[in-house]
Amino acid sequence: DAKTTQPNSMESNEEEPVHLPCNHSTISGTDYIHWYRQLPSQGPEYVIHGLTSNVNNRMASLAIAEDRKSSTLILHRATLRDAAVYYCILRPLSQGGSEKLVFGKGTKLTVNP
Amino acid sequence: KAGVTQTPRYLIKTRGQQVTLSCSPISGHRSVSWYQQTPGQGLQFLFEYFSETQRNKGNFPGRFSGRQFSNSRSEMNVSTLELGDSALYLCASSPGMIYEQYFGPGTRLTVT
Repeated sequence: DAKTTQPNSMESNEEEPVHLPCNHSTISGTDYIHWYRQLPSQGPEYVIHGLTSNVNNRMASLAIAEDRKSSTLILHRATLRDAAVYYCILRPLSQGGSEKLVFGKGTKLTVNP
Repeated sequence: KAGVTQTPRYLIKTRGQQVTLSCSPISGHRSVSWYQQTPGQGLQFLFEYFSETQRNKGNFPGRFSGRQFSNSRSEMNVSTLELGDSALYLCASSPGMIYEQYFGPGTRLTVT
């Protein structure tokens, strides 16, 4: 399973943008980059995913480096509700049909009021 | 649509006992995966079922088993419980061959 590296923790202020980095230097050409987050006392929640191009959805944006060895999850205006552990996960396009996700330790985001 | 539901939400068992946890996926979802979350090991993949067949299995001892029924509901069983099995057990479902997985709130198992 390809590995990702994330900072253990980050802090942000409410209503400011947050950039959560992820390094994945061993990514293969068919690996999708997924982000999930886990709010306190809840199960993980899908945030966004991408392959090569930058992606936007209602929750966040995903910026992918040209060489795909790193990516950044961008929360445009952090709210207190965004305080969570954020996981960057590489998921192969095909893994025998398996939906298995390999979670690392993630980044714990603290949002200050 | 109702989300993924897991029952029970909390459970206390004694070492040596066995336990069965239940997961009801989102309606129409055929894939169900199970994960164990502990403070020390984080989130670890247990196994995955699709259309009643186990499609993938994580690196856990044979005491951990599961099954999926024809209505896609899934159960996991842990026999001969050990203290180290205390964890949050999470179930996730997806329609299959799609990118997002939807997680339930988990079952908090405490083994004493």
